[in-house]
Amino acid sequence: GIQVEQSPPDLILQEGANSTLRCNFSDSVNNLQWFHQNPWGQLINLFYIPSGTKQNGRLSATTVATERYSLLYISSSQTTDSGVYFCAVRTGGSNYKLTFGKGTLLTVNP
Amino acid sequence: DSGVTQTPKHLITATGQRVTLRCSPRSGDLSVYWYQQSLDQGLQFLIQYYNGEERAKGNILERFSAQQFPDLHSELNLSSLELGDSALYFCASSVASVGQSRLNTEAFFGQGTRLTVV
Repeated sequence: GIQVEQSPPDLILQEGANSTLRCNFSDSVNNLQWFHQNPWGQLINLFYIPSGTKQNGRLSATTVATERYSLLYISSSQTTDSGVYFCAVRTGGSNYKLTFGKGTLLTVNP
Repeated sequence: DSGVTQTPKHLITATGQRVTLRCSPRSGDLSVYWYQQSLDQGLQFLIQYYNGEERAKGNILERFSAQQFPDLHSELNLSSLELGDSALYFCASSVASVGQSRLNTEAFFGQGTRLTVV
């Protein structure tokens, strides 16, 4: 099946810093989503971005489908950004499931 | 709020018991997915239903079963529970099945049910 690798596995920032999280995938996809899992365990949708670039406030994401990677940018980080960021992909054909990466654990210190 | 409702939020039960987790998808969503999140296995796909029919199976144990009812809510039944079944169980929903490739297949997740087997 498709492999999803996220980097870095852990990231510690000071409030106000910027960061880039990366997601590499091993096959072509027709769905790519970024999620934030907060300390209470909730999975919050950040972006649905199978290709192209999207922005939402301090967050933006870019997926280069032909090169099989996606980037999540967090600018001016806040302590509330802490948590685990997951990339999840779905391939075409009869594959119905979202395959998740192992996530990036982000800690933003005040 | 994702619009996907899961109950209960927390469940503590003993080994060997059976439990049922419930999920109500977002209004209008026909596909329901169940995922298990454990510390050592990460987020694993269990099973998908579309408009009442099973569409895909992932790493779901034989002791586990699920169904989707005519009103589109879904239940995940876990039986003969073992300590290793302790995990966070998520339900997700999306509008379409993968075959309808032109539609947005963005999945939205419920808050999860935290199952502890003691």
